[in-house]
Amino acid sequence: DVVMTQSPLSLPVTLGQPASISCRSSQSLVNSVGDTYLHWFQQRPGQSPRRLIYKVSNRDSGVPDRFSGSGSGTDFTLKISRVEAEDVGVYYCMQGTHWPRTFGQGTKVEIK
Amino acid sequence: QVQLVQSGAEVRKPGASVKVSCKASGYTFTNFYMHWVRQAPGQGLEWMGMINPSAAGTTYAQNFQGRVTMTRDTSTSTVYMELSSLRSDDTAVYYCARGELAHPWGQGTLVTVSS
Repeated sequence: DVVMTQSPLSLPVTLGQPASISCRSSQSLVNSVGDTYLHWFQQRPGQSPRRLIYKVSNRDSGVPDRFSGSGSGTDFTLKISRVEAEDVGVYYCMQGTHWPRTFGQGTKVEIK
Repeated sequence: QVQLVQSGAEVRKPGASVKVSCKASGYTFTNFYMHWVRQAPGQGLEWMGMINPSAAGTTYAQNFQGRVTMTRDTSTSTVYMELSSLRSDDTAVYYCARGELAHPWGQGTLVTVSS
């Protein structure tokens, strides 16, 4: 199975400051046609996961532009340019290239 | 809009089975795989498997092989996930999520396994 390793697992951030979450995969996530199925999800307390970014860097409709995704191959990053109070929650990366699908352990973002 | 609505919370005894439903609306049901993911209390996300609603083909995670069955009813645009031989560590919220891009997700169904 492809292991997804996120860091850090806990991220205290000051309001208005940037935040960055790393996600590394144990194998390349590029598929046979050159697509990379690496997605990012936000899970606010008591809610279902919500997709923020799909295929590395495509922001979902309604997601604030302070969220951005980047990376390639096995190394990916989710960045929040200026953290707001509503960004508190747990963030997960997920790979959809290999079977079985696998998730990172989650990164808990909290306000200092 | 695309929506996935799941069935309500369930309580089962160890050794029993549970069947959770996920009703899709707002898109062509047979055009997208449906994935099932679970989350134990205070834990992360665990992929369980997926069903192709068009041909009913399934792929299950090794951890659930032999205990999980995913089915669909195209007449009602509903997928089902049945988990058997329940144990206390199957207590979790179970989610459905549409497609290879995992969007959107259902609201989740809490399954509690307790004697």
